[in-house]
Amino acid sequence: RKEVEQDPGPFNVPEGATVAFNCTYSNSASQSFFWYRQDCRKEPKLLMSVYSSGNEDGRFTAQLNRASQYISLLIRDSKLSDSATYLCVVNGGGNNRLAFGKGNQVVVIP
Amino acid sequence: GAGVSQSPRYKVAKRGQDVALRCDPISGHVSLFWYQQALGQGPEFLTYFQNEAQLDKSGLPSDRFFAERPEGSVSTLKIQRTQQEDSAVYLCASSHPLNEQFFGPGTRLTVL
Repeated sequence: RKEVEQDPGPFNVPEGATVAFNCTYSNSASQSFFWYRQDCRKEPKLLMSVYSSGNEDGRFTAQLNRASQYISLLIRDSKLSDSATYLCVVNGGGNNRLAFGKGNQVVVIP
Repeated sequence: GAGVSQSPRYKVAKRGQDVALRCDPISGHVSLFWYQQALGQGPEFLTYFQNEAQLDKSGLPSDRFFAERPEGSVSTLKIQRTQQEDSAVYLCASSHPLNEQFFGPGTRLTVL
């Protein structure tokens, strides 16, 4: 079983709509959680960290459920520029190595 | 300031050939990571350095893969006797310990 599971999609989203997706992780000892964004043929870049209390950054809201071991991301008022792959990332190792999900591919349609 | 740089950006190798991939981390970053990203997959951890010490190489898929960081700055990932299944993007990331990892643009390796 992979350490981080994500349904890859694609998620076709009309411009202006809201899209939400989540991932599950297997290591209950994981300490840090992130969403990374990866554009086609580019490197991953940190979108936001995810905290137990939930956190928001503009149109993006992230939630963590430790009991169920899942992490969610919600994007409101989708823009064409939000089209990308969103990678769910967990850091549970003492050396700070990251475990990535397969990614959720989001396509925002005009 | 300058980010993480990697070279070459693209490499085509014949099966059985040896390749060397270079990573220049952000200046002052102690931690350096290598990841392998196959098509349609998320990055997979390969190995981790803290300064010149390779503290974790549990992700290296076989003994054909070797990484070094002799002076605690630039790192090289070497793949001997390349196989078709080695075709992937190899990503390097650097960070201060326990801080955000910054990724380089990757080296896209194609083994024919």
